[in-house]
Amino acid sequence: DGGITQSPKYLFRKEGQNVTLSCEQNLNHDAMYWYRQDPGQGLRLIYYSQIVNDFQKGDIAEGYSVSREKKESFPLTVTSAQKNPTAFYLCASTTTGVGEQYFGPGTRLTVT
Amino acid sequence: GDSVTQMEGPVTLSEEAFLTINCTYTATGYPSLFWYVQYPGEGLQLLLKATKADDKGSNKGFEATYRKETTSFHLEKGSVQVSDSAVYFCALSDRGFGNEKLTFGTGTRLTIIP
Repeated sequence: DGGITQSPKYLFRKEGQNVTLSCEQNLNHDAMYWYRQDPGQGLRLIYYSQIVNDFQKGDIAEGYSVSREKKESFPLTVTSAQKNPTAFYLCASTTTGVGEQYFGPGTRLTVT
Repeated sequence: GDSVTQMEGPVTLSEEAFLTINCTYTATGYPSLFWYVQYPGEGLQLLLKATKADDKGSNKGFEATYRKETTSFHLEKGSVQVSDSAVYFCALSDRGFGNEKLTFGTGTRLTIIP
């Protein structure tokens, strides 16, 4: 079945450590996105990529980094510079020109 | 810039009640409009969409009509069920500027009681 996978579902880290969240899609979508969701709030865009080897900052990119070496994969690194990293992280993808995005199941990151 | 405003929740209804969740938008181009649903601990699922004025999106008994004159895309369902309890997000994609970004509302939490 086609879809978007994110792993792991739950992730725990100590303050000061970098952590990488995985996002893979087998939908042959061109564009991929990372969002952050905090309790009771909407989604905020962290980074997005519309083509391999290219990506753009979203609204809250500080303290995060990404890479897009393959069309299927768009990993997100939460660095120690991110002041408040505990959140629910969602990855999404879409085909250029259609508008709607399709979401993975999310990774809940807890940093203590 | 683009923005989406949803009615604030939480909304609590009895089973079989009529549901309306209001959504209005501001966009500079020609947006497509979407409703997404999020069940606890999960990602977002596309519920329905409309790509131009007067289009009606529908799915699973939910409907929303793209009203350009009132810049609105209100979500409705005639008879809600307990299984409809979730958070609902209104969103727009303004592809007039060549990008594929979605702008989301803050979400409306819906609880249906038996």
